[in-house]
Amino acid sequence: DAGVTQSPTHLIKTRGQHVTLRCSPISGHKSVSWYQQVLGQGPQFIFQYYEKEERGRGNFPDRFSARQFPNYSSELNVNALLLGDSALYLCASRQAYSNQPQHFGDGTRLSIL
Amino acid sequence: KQEVTQIPAALSVPEGENLVLNCSFTDSAIYNLQWFRQDPGKGLTSLLLIQSSQREQTSGRLNASLDKSSGRSTLYIAASQPGDSATYLCAVRGNFGNEKLTFGTGTRLTIIP
Repeated sequence: DAGVTQSPTHLIKTRGQHVTLRCSPISGHKSVSWYQQVLGQGPQFIFQYYEKEERGRGNFPDRFSARQFPNYSSELNVNALLLGDSALYLCASRQAYSNQPQHFGDGTRLSIL
Repeated sequence: KQEVTQIPAALSVPEGENLVLNCSFTDSAIYNLQWFRQDPGKGLTSLLLIQSSQREQTSGRLNASLDKSSGRSTLYIAASQPGDSATYLCAVRGNFGNEKLTFGTGTRLTIIP
């Protein structure tokens, strides 16, 4: 079975632009979470979605938004990009109502110039 | 607010040695604890998941323990190999109704051939 897939792999943007990152969860997983990992740090929680509803939000500004589609894939949108948004953005999925772990994709490396 | 600490930040050991990585957390009201491995520029690979009611989990050469009351977990790696070189992250999930993971900053492990 395919794991969590994220696209694109790498992205270069300039300050003030907008970006959309995409995530396809493992088949059968209805919960998707997004994390930001700055170089040298652990991942920081941004959002969790389950059945297209937001279930959790981390301490990120309103420039960050997300949504989940009927097929459980998800998009993370970031507006008005800042230099500090440069990071690895990770998506994780999990089979709900189970004791299974979260599984992560390889991430999208976002660089802001 | 949950805080997760991993010490040391970096560790180098000769091949074949057994080693222990440490993780501590400030709030003992956790749902579970998960250990991950991260190779440079890559996503996270789940290694072991320990539920709050469990004391330890084993997978191959890896053994993770959990002492919830003292806020500590350890990851034991037996007979280390050069392929074990990576950053190891621990993450705790709280009892807040969502799947937010709070990560430590990781221990960068180097196995010397």
